[in-house]
Amino acid sequence: SQKIEQNSEALNIQEGKTATLTCNYTNYSPAYLQWYRQDPGRGPVFLLLIRENEKEKRKERLKVTFDTTLKQSLFHITASQPADSATYLCALDDGGFQKLVFGTGTRLLVSP
Amino acid sequence: NAGVTQTPKFQVLKTGQSMTLQCAQDMNHNSMYWYRQDPGMGLRLIYYSASEGTTDKGEVPNGYNVSRLNKREFSLRLESAAPSQTSVYFCASSGVAGLSSYNEQFFGPGTRLTVL
Repeated sequence: SQKIEQNSEALNIQEGKTATLTCNYTNYSPAYLQWYRQDPGRGPVFLLLIRENEKEKRKERLKVTFDTTLKQSLFHITASQPADSATYLCALDDGGFQKLVFGTGTRLLVSP
Repeated sequence: NAGVTQTPKFQVLKTGQSMTLQCAQDMNHNSMYWYRQDPGMGLRLIYYSASEGTTDKGEVPNGYNVSRLNKREFSLRLESAAPSQTSVYFCASSGVAGLSSYNEQFFGPGTRLTVL
């Protein structure tokens, strides 16, 4: 069966450290993968997109890697801040035009 | 620009009642989507509309109907609400004609629905 797995346990880190979140998938062959941020009581907000032929993508303090052999994406936030505390969702294309399948998300807590 | 707007923000229904969730976007997007989000289940696609005039089922369409009224508006209807439809519902849109098909999705603020 098709699955997207993100760590359901919250990730607790100290301010200034690098947070690394993992997204694993099985039985998909996505052309691209996206990461979203969701704050409590709000809709997800797009952060980054990485295509299957890209190994790494950066945007300010964010970095995403995509390994289609391992079927895994890693999402890094460097120099993390308490304001980075949120739930982070990965999503990949479901083979249909702009249809996405979402993981359940990982909650990140950054303490001062 | 308001982005994606949804109404209502909160709703309580009794089993068997019907209601329509409204969604509108002002970004000239071709594609629109309805998701539900439940604890531990993540976002699941109910229906989507790749372009004006077309709609297709997603992962969990049973108990729902949709209407793509025009390019801006995409509504979700519950004909006979059931407690299993208690959830948070998100509308999203994406895709401007002529640009990459890898567009990100823009989400509305959500509708929190409780069915008693």
